[in-house]
Formats: sequence, structure tokens, C-alpha cells
Amino acid sequence: DTGVSQDPRHKITKRGQNVTFRCDPISEHNRLYWYRQTLGQGPEFLTYFQNEAQLEKSRLLSDRFSAERPKGSFSTLEIQRTEQGDSAMYLCASSQPGGTGGNTIYFGEGSWLTVV
Amino acid sequence: AQTVTQSQPEMSVQEAETVTLSCTYDTSENNYYLFWYKQPPSRQMILVIRQEAYKQQNATENRFSVNFQKAAKSFSLKISDSQLGDTAMYFCASRPNSGTYKYIFGTGTRLKVLA
Repeated sequence: DTGVSQDPRHKITKRGQNVTFRCDPISEHNRLYWYRQTLGQGPEFLTYFQNEAQLEKSRLLSDRFSAERPKGSFSTLEIQRTEQGDSAMYLCASSQPGGTGGNTIYFGEGSWLTVV
Repeated sequence: AQTVTQSQPEMSVQEAETVTLSCTYDTSENNYYLFWYKQPPSRQMILVIRQEAYKQQNATENRFSVNFQKAAKSFSLKISDSQLGDTAMYFCASRPNSGTYKYIFGTGTRLKVLA
């Protein structure tokens, strides 16, 4: 069983450029989450999917952020016109309802974004 | 709205000693899940222990146990026989069992185990 996989692990981009992160959840997990974490802080909720449906989106997520999960498997998080304040680690996580370990969220290793 | 508060930004403990990390939360739900996650330096966040609110018995996982006080909305983590590998950020989190499936995290406690 492979865990949650994120790509790329590190991204340095110039301000104003667009970036896209990919997340592959644990295969049988139908819920997929995106969080943002800055140094020394806890993960901050951005959005989550159940299968391909985006069920909730944080008010913190500006119009420059968009996430998709087109076939209910992998997901992408795109940030358009990046700003220095977008520099953070973007965490993907997945979970499944019920069963052993159900309702527990499992994280990937994160994608570090640095905007210069 | 759910909130999770961790009031201890940093703690340290001697190797082999016991340490308790505090967490309080606020929720209007009657049934929910509580979690402690560990994030070692530059490494992946992993689950330490979880508690279902409808279970009165405190969860235990080897050297890790919780003190769950539902009325007080308190969920502390006790680490016994602390090891150097326990050095990490520890995050408390909650998630209701209905409606939103959003997990809310606290700001974390940085734990350093001293040799």
C-alpha cells in the first residue's frame, strides 16, 4: 500500500507565475483534502473532495486558487499569479469513512512552494 | 465553528521521563473524533493516536495515551518513557462525525526530548 503521494516536493517560482501541485491519495480513499502549512504553524484547511465533488472550500482560498479531482482519484491544486504570501507547504491528505482506521486523515509529505 | 487550542508552544522533557501535552477544543457536535499527529523535523505528519468522542475509555497506543475529558472539552496527550525520536511538533485535531468532514488543527506544541 503506497501512501499519499505529492508532486513536486519543492517548487521555486517567480511572483506572478502559475504553479500546479498534484496529489495521489491512498487508492481506496474517497476523501481528499488540501491544507496549507507555514513554518511553526498548524495545517490550515483549504478544501476537500468526496470522490470528484468539491464539498467545501475555505474562505481563505482566494480566486487565484483552484482545485480539481476530475475522476475521483488524483487531485491538482493550481495557484495562479503567485504572491510571496503564498510561500508555504501545501499538504494533501486522504481518508475513508468507516472501517479500521476510518475517518483518520493520512498525509503526504507535502509540496514546498517558495515564491521569489 | 470548531476550534482547537494548544496553549503550550514549546516543551522539553528528559529522555525516559513522562510529558503531557495539552489540547482544548470547542464544538457544538455531540459526536466527533479527536486526533494527535506528530510531525518530525522536515518529515511527514503521522497519526499518533485517535479518540472517538462517544467512547468514554481513553485511547492508548504503546507509550502514548490520552486523557479525554468530554465535559471540559479537553484532550491531552501523555508520552511515557520519552525517547529522542519523540522530538517533533505535535498537533491536536478534531473532526465532527456529521455534516462537514473538515479536520481542524491546533497551532502545535514543539516537543524536544533531551538526552
